[in-house]
Amino acid sequence: GEEVAQTPKHLVRGEGQKAKLYCAPIKGHSYVFWYQQVLKNEFKFLISFQNENVFDETGMPKERFSAKCLPNSPCSLEIQATKLEDSAVYFCASSQFRGRNTEAFFGQGTRLTVV
Amino acid sequence: KNEVEQSPQNLTAQEGEFITINCSYSVGISALHWLQQHPGGGIVSLFMLSSGKKKHGRLIATINIQEKHSSLHITASHPRDSAVYICASSTQGGSEKLVFGKGTKLTVNP
Repeated sequence: GEEVAQTPKHLVRGEGQKAKLYCAPIKGHSYVFWYQQVLKNEFKFLISFQNENVFDETGMPKERFSAKCLPNSPCSLEIQATKLEDSAVYFCASSQFRGRNTEAFFGQGTRLTVV
Repeated sequence: KNEVEQSPQNLTAQEGEFITINCSYSVGISALHWLQQHPGGGIVSLFMLSSGKKKHGRLIATINIQEKHSSLHITASHPRDSAVYICASSTQGGSEKLVFGKGTKLTVNP
């Protein structure tokens, strides 16, 4: 597609429930990034993929968070046993290249509310 | 560790005014991005630059690599420019993840 498509737009989960977020990158883009935005303007990098391979997972919480990018499927970010502090907007971005040509295109985000 | 600082945090202007938002970063970068986030939450990429200056309509972005500093200028500001402007950098030789500044909330009054 021509834009990064994230679903769902909003997700409400009770504490302890599982949350699964999806991201379809722009067709032809090899890199996918997940970011968490809390407190309006604080962005935290979670994980990136080069095609279906994990590229950088230094931002992923060791427990409860997992992510995948499988061929011919949207990428996914899954949170097991959600906690109140997981409430945030999760953005996915994709880019075609690395280095100086790495323009990032962002999805509209998924707002996760844990109650 | 790369840190990105933006100023000002909040900016209120009258329609027609010239706006400047500043961004400084601490380590060598492969690219500097200027992003716009509207109240609805979506993020739009305005510029990506690694040297010099870029212009798009009323928006101009400049970067000084030696001083590790970038500016975003808006000429003839308009109420529809009201948004949060975020600068983000990707580190040289790194994984291309973005490190974000805390954003500048711009309000342009008619």
